[in-house]
Amino acid sequence: QSALTQPASVSGSPGQSITISCTGTSSDVGGYNYVSWYQQHPGKAPKLMIYDVSKRPSGVSNRFSGSKSGNTASLTISGLQAEDEADYYCCSYAGSSTRVFGGGTKLTVL
Amino acid sequence: QVQLQESGPGLVKPSGTLSLTCAVSGGSISSSNWWSWVRQPPGKGLEWIGEIYHSGSTNYNPSLKSRVTISVDKSKNQFSLKLSSVTAADTAVYYCAREGKGLGYFDLWGRGTLVTVSS
Repeated sequence: QSALTQPASVSGSPGQSITISCTGTSSDVGGYNYVSWYQQHPGKAPKLMIYDVSKRPSGVSNRFSGSKSGNTASLTISGLQAEDEADYYCCSYAGSSTRVFGGGTKLTVL
Repeated sequence: QVQLQESGPGLVKPSGTLSLTCAVSGGSISSSNWWSWVRQPPGKGLEWIGEIYHSGSTNYNPSLKSRVTISVDKSKNQFSLKLSSVTAADTAVYYCAREGKGLGYFDLWGRGTLVTVSS
């Protein structure tokens, strides 16, 4: 069970859109529609932003959206704001009642 | 609303056993949720450790399974983690988390507790 692959860093200017990818295999991302995304600010606990590939929990801005194609899931943040600067992690159900996280992506708002 | 709070020793000796407890407040651990432990080594990513249901059913990360035990105490509304034969590589912030009603996502997290493995 290997960690999902995410880019180490992405950046964008305020108002722009960015996309973070999360690549796995047919045994995790590609095999199930159970991908979730978490935002983590320094020193804080992760916060659920997207679940079941594209669903947003109550209270999460609609600037955050999720999608999946094959073995790769994506998180898109539109209308970037300074407060979006954080680390982002994807997570997938990986069969046999296990879960696997991605390595994390640091988002910098320029 | 429901809150989670981790507690336990912040320092464990190498080859010893790490023991943590997660207290659930504002709700019942016997709700239809699974309860998980997730850890994060300093400066690194998240790693799922395992989960438990109030019935006592458990699932573990295969890479840690031989060293992990997760248990539940319904009378105290809490669940616990034991990780044996620890090394410096087990130094991390340990989070407890509630899994959502669906599958594979964590909708509520504790604040986390740093456990350092050192002599």
